[in-house]
Amino acid sequence: DQQVKQNSPSLSVQEGRISILNCDYTNSMFDYFLWYKKYPAEGPTFLISISSIKDKNEDGRFTVFLNKSAKHLSLHIVPSQPGDSAVYFCAASARNYGQNFVFGPGTRLSVLP
Amino acid sequence: EPEVTQTPSHQVTQMGQEVILRCVPISNHLYFYWYRQILGQKVEFLVSFYNNEISEKSEIFDDQFSVERPDGSNFTLKIRSTKLEDSAMYFCASSLSRGPDTEAFFGQGTRLTVV
Repeated sequence: DQQVKQNSPSLSVQEGRISILNCDYTNSMFDYFLWYKKYPAEGPTFLISISSIKDKNEDGRFTVFLNKSAKHLSLHIVPSQPGDSAVYFCAASARNYGQNFVFGPGTRLSVLP
Repeated sequence: EPEVTQTPSHQVTQMGQEVILRCVPISNHLYFYWYRQILGQKVEFLVSFYNNEISEKSEIFDDQFSVERPDGSNFTLKIRSTKLEDSAMYFCASSLSRGPDTEAFFGQGTRLTVV
């Protein structure tokens, strides 16, 4: 039961270019979405979030876009830096479901110098 | 910067043995969680804990699992009789407030290997 999907297991991008990581969800009850970054041997680190009342949230080099009708969100990183190389997890939650987050399987981003 | 800390970083145990994974959440946080990630798979929710009781748990969190906050600072996950399939990274997380519009802060994880 994959409620949150990240269909690209990996992505390679040249340094300085834009990285676009995609996430799709199936549960229309989800109303809050987060992106976490994870380095090897570390726990997930919160990156950026978006509520369903918005369609865009920006924080420095990171922008998340939400298309509710398509049940799709994306994370844009521009410009990409080698230190951005990590696994990126999309996570979703629903106010009526409590506090648990449903994670996608992750996308491994490699930023090449 | 405050952080969630977990001990040990790696635990090896024999099948059938009990293990306790320990976590120290961020001090002013009120909501606590355990997640796990089996190698190569996604991060999965196990349980959330608030006000000294479980507020939500997943299907994974069966009778073999238990959580407690014994002393107001530690938050533990106990697996009574470990199985091979319990081998995974276990992440503790905490958050300040209730509701999905708050981010959870994760610890670095405990790698549990059941042999």
